[in-house]
Amino acid sequence: SQTIHQWPATLVQPVGSPLSLECTVEGTSNPNLYWYRQAAGRGLQLLFYSVGIGQISSEVPQNLSASRPQDRQFILSSKKLLLSDSGFYLCAWSVGQARSGNTIYFGEGSWLTVV
Amino acid sequence: AQKITQTQPGMFVQEKEAVTLDCTYDTSDPSYGLFWYKQPSSGEMIFLIYQGSYDQQNATEGRYSLNFQKARKSANLVISASQLGDSAMYFCAMRGANTGFQKLVFGTGTRLLVSP
Repeated sequence: SQTIHQWPATLVQPVGSPLSLECTVEGTSNPNLYWYRQAAGRGLQLLFYSVGIGQISSEVPQNLSASRPQDRQFILSSKKLLLSDSGFYLCAWSVGQARSGNTIYFGEGSWLTVV
Repeated sequence: AQKITQTQPGMFVQEKEAVTLDCTYDTSDPSYGLFWYKQPSSGEMIFLIYQGSYDQQNATEGRYSLNFQKARKSANLVISASQLGDSAMYFCAMRGANTGFQKLVFGTGTRLLVSP
């Protein structure tokens, strides 16, 4: 069966420091990968998605970037964190050509607090 | 643009009773999918149920069913025989053709509390 792992689970970073969140999917090949952010008390907002190695689409212009160096690895990065980057970040995956019924499955999430 | 509206910030239900969580949506897509996710306090998003816009029958998954009324653009989640473990945030979401089906748009969620 497929599993998704995301780390670190929690981190506290000072303003201006770099960020790297990693996500790995097991048990499937060529997944679609996603990074979502959830601000406190809000729904999820799509940040980036990738349909293949090196292919990244950005949904919201911001202080973050994403990379997909391997088929099942998705990385969320920032060179200099802002206070507004604080939130809950979720990696997600789906398989197959995107269509209405393709379920997106989420990882455990990473809590980021920028201080 | 697609939009999901969940008007109930919080709901209370007693154990073993049924509860309905409301969701209305707005889209110009001819083809779309509607999803419900559960988010316990641990934070992970757990997929519950899916309804396609062309599906003739309401979706069911165990104790979860989706009351889909296309003309009213509503996709309410019904949880039967509530359990204490059902206490969590519940999010309605949709994806459609206009965004290449890649973007899952979420509502603001409903917090469900199940009491003994």
